[in-house]
Amino acid sequence: SQQGEEDPQALSIQEGENATMNCSYKTSINNLQWYRQNSGRGLVHLILIRSNEREKHSGRLRVTLDTSKKSSSLLITASRAADTASYFCATNSGGSNYKLTFGKGTLLTVNP
Amino acid sequence: DAGVIQSPRHEVTEMGQEVTLRCKPISGHNSLFWYRQTMMRGLELLIYFNNNVPIDDSGMPEDRFSAKMPNASFSTLKIQPSEPRDSAVYFCASSLDGGARETQYFGPGTRLLVL
Repeated sequence: SQQGEEDPQALSIQEGENATMNCSYKTSINNLQWYRQNSGRGLVHLILIRSNEREKHSGRLRVTLDTSKKSSSLLITASRAADTASYFCATNSGGSNYKLTFGKGTLLTVNP
Repeated sequence: DAGVIQSPRHEVTEMGQEVTLRCKPISGHNSLFWYRQTMMRGLELLIYFNNNVPIDDSGMPEDRFSAKMPNASFSTLKIQPSEPRDSAVYFCASSLDGGARETQYFGPGTRLLVL
């Protein structure tokens, strides 16, 4: 069953602009992760944020988590053409210590 | 490190045929996951192994699907008989210890088309 839902489904921006993608989920989580998938490739882990954290940074990536709204956002600053990919949020919830439930992703296109 | 290795990368077969997908996890990782990705359903967990033992196979669609992990460096996902609705990209992923705080490392996937 779907837990995370990304929004928008697709986003097209110019190089240098910032890109913001959102993820909403239904049930309480232990942590939330963001992954990137380049066309025809496997998923690559970007960042993990725990349920008791509100914000994390990694390079040009900034992730926020609002557990009261059951939502997270991924901000990519100063985007590059190489950032073109699909971005997925994945949640871990309940008693499972291994299971990740993925959303359907946001397709980000960064135009040079 | 070579990363997670999957073979074949592409597979085209006819309905009713047996399909075997292969995965070599990252050396030292003791957890292995098989996922299926389709446009309609997104990325779904099929089965999870820890220390070569199947822990959760609740995502396996039906009896036509089976998975094995005979040793720490090899796993197979078999579909017999295959059907057109099995067409999807199948990913194998491994992690150090399986916990949801662990990063999962994905292979490049096997793109399966069942005609």
